[in-house]
Amino acid sequence: IAGITQAPTSQILAAGRRMTLRCTQDMRHNAMYWYRQDLGLGLRLIHYSNTAGTTGKGEVPDGYSVSRANTDDFPLTLASAVPSQTSVYFCASSDSPVGTSGNEQFFGPGTRLTVL
Amino acid sequence: GQNIDQPTEMTATEGAIVQINCTYQTSGFNGLFWYQQHAGEAPTFLSYNVLDGLEEKGRFSSFLSRSKGYSYLLLKELQMKDSASYLCASTDSNYQLIWGAGTKLIIKP
Repeated sequence: IAGITQAPTSQILAAGRRMTLRCTQDMRHNAMYWYRQDLGLGLRLIHYSNTAGTTGKGEVPDGYSVSRANTDDFPLTLASAVPSQTSVYFCASSDSPVGTSGNEQFFGPGTRLTVL
Repeated sequence: GQNIDQPTEMTATEGAIVQINCTYQTSGFNGLFWYQQHAGEAPTFLSYNVLDGLEEKGRFSSFLSRSKGYSYLLLKELQMKDSASYLCASTDSNYQLIWGAGTKLIIKP
């Protein structure tokens, strides 16, 4: 693994189903983030984690949950998917929290999710 | 409220210079970021400004005026591969990034 990876690459999901998007980084970064990107709206923060064992809510957290059991992994779970969660999801990481350090964020390749 | 504004789309000619503007209103300001995003790909970091002034990095430069809540990204000697969206972002009161919707730059031969 080099950098930050996400799985799956794309997924079509029936409404009401549970789904976990996976994110793994091998850079030993402390901070990780989940964003969604919708046309015309730019990136919006869903949840973040400044260090392993801690998480925080971003701008649009409703309907999503995260966990950060270790440094490398930061899965995003949709408990009961709805069509409005159709989006491209990006996971990102930075050496330290972006807002206090100015460290750049490294992004994974994204997961394209369609909820029908 | 917190807001990042940038033009939706710009067109420029190969070999020319283009300036992409960004205005921001955020609390907890701790710097202004620019990212590049090619269609269908992930954003990649271009620049970070925390002090007023111009930061130059090859063909790309970024400027910040904190008193005016204003930044711009300057791209020189445009190449076709510079066709992409350019995202402006700043920190909010929770020290996370607030992102603009992005400026789609179209380069014509």
